[in-house]
Order: sequence, then structure tokens, then C-alpha cells
Amino acid sequence: EPEVTQTPSHQVTQMGQEVILRCVPISNHLYFYWYRQILGQKVEFLVSFYNNEISEKSEIFDDQFSVERPDGSNFTLKIRSTKLEDSAMYFCASSEEWGGELFFGEGSRLTVL
Amino acid sequence: KQEVTQIPAALSVPEGENLVLNCSFTDSAIYNLQWFRQDPGKGLTSLLLIQSSQREQTSGRLNASLDKSSGRSTLYIAASQPGDSATYLCAVTAGGNQFYFGTGTSLTVIP
Repeated sequence: EPEVTQTPSHQVTQMGQEVILRCVPISNHLYFYWYRQILGQKVEFLVSFYNNEISEKSEIFDDQFSVERPDGSNFTLKIRSTKLEDSAMYFCASSEEWGGELFFGEGSRLTVL
Repeated sequence: KQEVTQIPAALSVPEGENLVLNCSFTDSAIYNLQWFRQDPGKGLTSLLLIQSSQREQTSGRLNASLDKSSGRSTLYIAASQPGDSATYLCAVTAGGNQFYFGTGTSLTVIP
């Protein structure tokens, strides 16, 4: 069964460092997303991406964050200068259509020290 | 802004029991509602998607209902099994492309 894959599964970084999280969405899906979940809190929307551009973003997704689809399969989230409060599980998701069923990856746990 | 609430926060039942999980949302103008399960430290697994024009969806032992006018959805699990133990999340999308998530119900099924 097709699935969303994410790497790395866990990354530890120092505050102020740049981090890139990688995702391979399901191949025939057109919409891609990043969500995050701080320990013990709700899953929160960060950004959606369609047709090689951001279609929506939340207040969390400030200038420190960026997304890119560098080739036909990968979808990346970059955090330029990590803060302690960026420590969370970051989930990539994809859907076939607008507002359609979301399929999530296993997540990348980011720990900022 | 859409707020999604799930009650109870935790539920413990003996194996074989039927159970209902509740989800409520503040803005009834939703597009879709989706139920997920999340195992500890893992990603979210899609269980059911209900479109705004539908009233219920079924998959195996799971049945989800949607009442848009009252801002409520329920997930019914029949004949619960220990393998059903997980956190169950509901999420709604309303107009935009982002889903708003509830805090989840942590279910434990006791053998």
C-alpha cells in the first residue's frame, strides 16, 4: 500500500542550527502538508503546498520556516535557525485532492538543545 | 477559528465492549471530517473520512457519524479488542485546506 515516508526519524540539533526534514509523499497525490505536534499538545497545521507553491500557512509558519519540492518526489521542510520551542514531532502528509483524505508519515522527532 | 474538542480525554473498557468516542467542533461550516488513530510515538493512521454531505461512514468494526448542524461527530467501535488501544483523533477542514485537530481520546482496551 502506498505510504508517506519521512527522514530522519529523529534529529537532535543545537539551538540556532539549520534543520531540513524530508518527506516522500504518495506518488499520485497533488497536495502536500507539514503538521507538527508538541509533546502532549494538539496536532497543528503548518503549511500546505500545491502546484509548487504554498497554498496556505499558519501563524506558526514564520520566516524561519520554508518548504520546497526540489525534485519530483521529495518535499522538504527547512527551519533556518532552530529555537528550543521548535522541539516537536513533525509530520508530513499528502492528499489526492483539495480538502481530501490526509495520509500521514511516521513523523520526524526534532529535539533542539 | 475552528475549535475541536474530544471527550472523554481517556477511556478504559474491557475487551468485547462497544464504545463511542465523541468529537465536537465550533464552526458547523465544515468541508470534511476525518478520524485517525495514533499509536504512541507513531504517525497518524487514517480511519474514516466523512464528507460534509454525508451522515456516516463505516469501515469494518468502525462507524463514524456526522451531525453538522450540532457540530458533532461520533466514532463507534464495535466489539473492542486490545489492539484497538491507541489515541483517537478527529480533525475537520472548513473552507481552507488545513485540518484542525482535537486533543484526542486515549483508549485502553483491557484483555
